[in-house]
Amino acid sequence: DGGITQSPKYLFRKEGQNVTLSCEQNLNHDAMYWYRQDPGQGLRLIYYSQIVNDFQKGDIAEGYSVSREKKESFPLTVTSAQKNPTAFYLCASSIGGFNTEAFFGQGTRLTVV
Amino acid sequence: DQQVKQNSPSLSVQEGRISILNCDYTNSMFDYFLWYKKYPAEGPTFLISISSIKDKNEDGRFTVFLNKSAKHLSLHIVPSQPGDSAVYFCAASAGGTSYGKLTFGQGTILTVHP
Repeated sequence: DGGITQSPKYLFRKEGQNVTLSCEQNLNHDAMYWYRQDPGQGLRLIYYSQIVNDFQKGDIAEGYSVSREKKESFPLTVTSAQKNPTAFYLCASSIGGFNTEAFFGQGTRLTVV
Repeated sequence: DQQVKQNSPSLSVQEGRISILNCDYTNSMFDYFLWYKKYPAEGPTFLISISSIKDKNEDGRFTVFLNKSAKHLSLHIVPSQPGDSAVYFCAASAGGTSYGKLTFGQGTILTVHP
């Protein structure tokens, strides 16, 4: 059963701590993305990766870091430098290239207290 | 700079009637447009897409219309069903090096009343 798995679904962290969100896909997709959703706003792109060992900053990359060591995995680290980390984080993947749709995971709700 | 805009935060329709969700964009490089449906605390699910070489694409109850000169697209749902109640996002991507990156609108909350 192919898909994108994000874990955990809910995550609580203390202010000042780094936290890593997991994203795994078994769709054999080349491209992977991280988006953030805040209440009343659309999805904003944090980072994306077209191929293994390569990734690019999106529109709101400050305070985040990623790695792409395996095709199936694209973890996102929310660092203490991120000023407003509480949000709903969505991972997506696509076959890449032109005119392709992205498929999303179920999301991780991060709450920093 | 909001490159994709959904100016209606919410829409309420009666079951069986037509739902029309609108989206405007400003970036002339966008050439592929998508609609996603999202329930609270879940990831968006892909509904329908349209390439800039077309002006209409249909899939069952869902039809997307694209007016390139006006930089406007719309999603029509006919007939609307209570299960269609969700947040709808339009999204756009540009060719070239965008490699599937999507720019999203703010979303429109659709409520279909029985």
